Amino acid sequence: KQEVTQIPAALSVPEGENLVLNCSFTDSAIYNLQWFRQDPGKGLTSLLLIQSSQREQTSGRLNASLDKSSGRSTLYIAASQPGDSATYLCAPEFNNAGNMLTFGGGTRLMVKP
Amino acid sequence: NAGVTQTPKFRILKIGQSMTLQCTQDMNHNYMYWYRQDPGMGLKLIYYSVGAGITDKGEVPNGYNVSRSTTEDFPLRLELAAPSQTSVYFCASNKNRQYSNQPQHFGDGTRLSIL
Repeated sequence: KQEVTQIPAALSVPEGENLVLNCSFTDSAIYNLQWFRQDPGKGLTSLLLIQSSQREQTSGRLNASLDKSSGRSTLYIAASQPGDSATYLCAPEFNNAGNMLTFGGGTRLMVKP
Repeated sequence: NAGVTQTPKFRILKIGQSMTLQCTQDMNHNYMYWYRQDPGMGLKLIYYSVGAGITDKGEVPNGYNVSRSTTEDFPLRLELAAPSQTSVYFCASNKNRQYSNQPQHFGDGTRLSIL
């Protein structure tokens, strides 16, 4: 069974810090990988999508990297702000999954003013 | 821009009751999905559809049924509600797989409690 693990499960940092969220997956044969943000009581918002042929994607203060061979992805958040407080979910689409995503348990981030 | 719309937002059911969770999207997406999210956990796929008239089971389909009569709508039905089905349910959609740079779009969820 293909699994996705996110470490840490929770993280609390002071405002302004740079931080890294980690995602590991058990099968390197992925089609793409998405990072989502989920605010309390809300749905998921797609932040970044990295295709299997890419090594990284950037959007503003966010940078996501992908290392398929080691089964890892990281989400880097620069100069964190209180508004970044949310749960961040990693979801690769495995090649044999037919357009379906497998989700990690998420990292709950709190950025303190 | 409506995107993916789910109704209702909240619902409390008694054990054994039935209900249908509604999901509609206005982006002409072929693929639609139903997930459940238990507290502190990631999402698990219940059912998915690759187009009108075509549905298939995901990881946790037991106790649920779906239909896809139109491209826009993908309702999820609970026939005999059980406490284990207390969860938050999310509907999502995206284009055909050939558009690999298109992310899944999610609705805001339906929070369901079964007592």
